[in-house]
Amino acid sequence: DTEVTQTPKHLVMGMTNKKSLKCEQHMGHRAMYWYKQKAKKPPELMFVYSYEKLSINESVPSRFSPECPNSSLLNLHLHALQPEDSALYLCASSLGTDMNTEAFFGQGTRLTVV
Amino acid sequence: EDQVTQSPEALRLQEGESSSLNCSYTVSGLRGLFWYRQDPGKGPEFLFTLYSAGEEKEKERLKATLTKKESFLHITAPKPEDSATYLCAVQALFHASGGSYIPTFGRGTSLIVHP
Repeated sequence: DTEVTQTPKHLVMGMTNKKSLKCEQHMGHRAMYWYKQKAKKPPELMFVYSYEKLSINESVPSRFSPECPNSSLLNLHLHALQPEDSALYLCASSLGTDMNTEAFFGQGTRLTVV
Repeated sequence: EDQVTQSPEALRLQEGESSSLNCSYTVSGLRGLFWYRQDPGKGPEFLFTLYSAGEEKEKERLKATLTKKESFLHITAPKPEDSATYLCAVQALFHASGGSYIPTFGRGTSLIVHP
């Protein structure tokens, strides 16, 4: 099983709303990632959690707040977003950031900020 | 600075017309190179991992190869269902990360196969 599950699949939110994106994997992976992808662009790294600790924050604005409640779950809390934050948000996981193994991606959440 | 460059940016083929996609890279301490397929609005689907020069992997009509500077994804007798964006990613030491190896993506090749 190489499944990473993301919910919701689609989200429309206003600039004053607070919402959360969720990601779950049961492969025993200890590294989990959030990427942001705009149309016709490659995935762009946002955050990396390694063994449930935030190890990389790619200078992401504070209106994006990640959380890793346990080794299987990853959340991305959204608050006061801007229209330019509309994108496909991808969660991924891998065995670990100290290992030479591939990352598996979820199907993404299509976020539209209005 | 590490770079991953994919070419061509877009490729149109007739069904059955074989071709190759290129991924060239300049990284320090490559730990692995990955190929993914991405359909519109979906997450990338893992295809192959290559670790060392000379390595080859195959899956149906796809074959990936690796040299010290680039990787090729060969598509033999493609079908319309092979139409997608193909992404290459390199696993290398991430800057200022204290020893983390993170996949960094190229811009992808958009492949369209006409029936």
